[in-house]
Amino acid sequence: GNSVTQMEGPVTLSEEAFLTINCTYTATGYPSLFWYVQYPGEGLQLLLKATKADDKGSNKGFEATYRKETTSFHLEKGSVQVSDSAVYFCALSDPTAGNTGKLIFGQGTTLQVKP
Amino acid sequence: GAVVSQHPSRVICKSGTSVKIECRSLDFQATTMFWYRQFPKQSLMLMATSNEGSKATYEQGVEKDKFLINHASLTLSTLTVTSAHPEDSSFYICSAPLVGQGGSYGYTFGSGTRLTVV
Repeated sequence: GNSVTQMEGPVTLSEEAFLTINCTYTATGYPSLFWYVQYPGEGLQLLLKATKADDKGSNKGFEATYRKETTSFHLEKGSVQVSDSAVYFCALSDPTAGNTGKLIFGQGTTLQVKP
Repeated sequence: GAVVSQHPSRVICKSGTSVKIECRSLDFQATTMFWYRQFPKQSLMLMATSNEGSKATYEQGVEKDKFLINHASLTLSTLTVTSAHPEDSSFYICSAPLVGQGGSYGYTFGSGTRLTVV
């Protein structure tokens, strides 16, 4: 079945360090891929998305490229800030369910950025 | 943009009572609503999918009689945790897919409900 696997956390970095959070997926067909961020005690916010192979999603300095050949959608940021500390979820939309398909989430990766 | 308003944000209830969580789409019509449950430091697990005017579809292992879902209108979906027990304590989040003329363009999430059963 469809699934998403993220690198385990927590990831602890110093401010201005480079960030990579790995995400790989298994899916039949061509899913859309998403990164969501969850700040403590809050719901999820869309960070970025990509809907087809080789698309690059970007927002707030974060980037991720839809790589079909490696079934990956790794999240990167060149210089993290303390305010980036949160839990990051990689997700895919079920490609078999049409436009209103459910999201399948990875297990989440906690990022802690220290000043 | 499209917003889903979820209430309450926090609720504490006694064991054996029922709790209703509401999700309202404020500026769009939500024909579908997904209900997720999130345990501490874990991912979101889909519990059920509600569709306006029809019965909800529950994921395997989710008790239909315990987690009652109603989607009576295009702007309101509710989840009722019946006869709540401490093990039902969790973070519940709703989500609606966003569909336009060009197809799906994403999902919007409620802010979540922290349920604590004592």
